[in-house]
Amino acid sequence: AQKVTQAQTEISVVEKEDVTLDCVYETRDTTYYLFWYKQPPSGELVFLIRRNSFDEQNEISGRYSWNFQKSTSSFNFTITASQVVDSAVYFCALSEGTQGGSEKLVFGKGTKLTVNP
Amino acid sequence: EPEVTQTPSHQVTQMGQEVILRCVPISNHLYFYWYRQILGQKVEFLVSFYNNEISEKSEIFDDQFSVERPDGSNFTLKIRSTKLEDSAMYFCASKTFAGPRPNEQFFGPGTRLTVL
Repeated sequence: AQKVTQAQTEISVVEKEDVTLDCVYETRDTTYYLFWYKQPPSGELVFLIRRNSFDEQNEISGRYSWNFQKSTSSFNFTITASQVVDSAVYFCALSEGTQGGSEKLVFGKGTKLTVNP
Repeated sequence: EPEVTQTPSHQVTQMGQEVILRCVPISNHLYFYWYRQILGQKVEFLVSFYNNEISEKSEIFDDQFSVERPDGSNFTLKIRSTKLEDSAMYFCASKTFAGPRPNEQFFGPGTRLTVL
């Protein structure tokens, strides 16, 4: 069965600090996709990144970076030089299969990030 | 950019009443989903729908729930007799397997359902 664990329930940092959000996943499939979503206080889910199981290259997008390590089943998310606008709940999610079908997303419980000025 | 829309944004209903939550997926998408998020908790899968039938459903999706694509554009979630514990944010999502962002589920803004 698939499972996503986000052990950090809440994190509070001061603006300009770097912060890493942890995500550990479990799956029996060799083909799967990992995602990060941001949920600001307004409630919508904002897609941040998708990574497939065959691509272990780390990715950087502006102040955001992702570290995918299959050996530890982790897909961690780092925000560099955090800003108040980064305050949100961040969800890691997993989808099994070859993605040619209707594979569902399984979400972690989320990490609430508060960035204080 | 095309987007998934949901109506209403907020629905208040009395326990035992039927509610229908509506979604308009992105027009060329083929797979449709409903998820729910109880306040302060994680997002949970309810049901997936493809080719006019349910592909998969979770244990949450019991006989009180049903989904329909009545007219080729709308995708609805019906709860027959609402309970207090149905109070949650309900997200609709859709995806396709072609195009610039294949297999990414696009989420709607959600409908907040409050059952009194």
